[in-house]
Amino acid sequence: KAGVTQTPRYLIKTRGQQVTLSCSPISGHRSVSWYQQTPGQGLQFLFEYFSETQRNKGNFPGRFSGRQFSNSRSEMNVSTLELGDSALYLCASTYGRDSGANVLTFGAGSRLTVL
Amino acid sequence: DAKTTQPPSMDCAEGRAANLPCNHSTISGNEYVYWYRQIHSQGPQYIIHGLKNNETNEMASLIITEDRKSSTLILPHATLRDTAVYYCIHGSGNTGKLIFGQGTTLQVKP
Repeated sequence: KAGVTQTPRYLIKTRGQQVTLSCSPISGHRSVSWYQQTPGQGLQFLFEYFSETQRNKGNFPGRFSGRQFSNSRSEMNVSTLELGDSALYLCASTYGRDSGANVLTFGAGSRLTVL
Repeated sequence: DAKTTQPPSMDCAEGRAANLPCNHSTISGNEYVYWYRQIHSQGPQYIIHGLKNNETNEMASLIITEDRKSSTLILPHATLRDTAVYYCIHGSGNTGKLIFGQGTTLQVKP
């Protein structure tokens, strides 16, 4: 089956601009979560969406936002970009079941460079 | 938030078993232990998970202590392609929220 697809894979923006990243989860997965990875901070949880509702949120400023559509596809948006937003942004999907393990499948990531 | 403790780096000879330890003393009763690895600049790859019993799959074995406060990931015959950062995580089942630590950088050497 197809994996988690993230687009675009690479992008360059300048400070003050905004960016939208897209994630298509594995078919049947209803939970989509987003992570930011930087050399200094490692992998940090941004937020998670389940059935079009934000279910969990990490400790990031309001410039970072997301949404999920009825087909479970998700987008995240970063407004007023700062140099420190340069990072690998990873999306992961899982079934999001109430019990049992939920194994996350990660996409290849979107590499954002802010100049 | 859930925290795990792993050694920052380890070396292993190619063909030998790699044993990666993890302490997760704050794990609660319904939380699973998950292991992922990340090869440079790629998305993390799932390896294995367990609740309280030892587990084995085609990639690795997971040994969880009886008190569930620590675990060991075993790669039975390490290859150069197993060189990666290995993350041990524990979390509850129903969300996509995982708290990653700094992981262990495993270097497999010829």
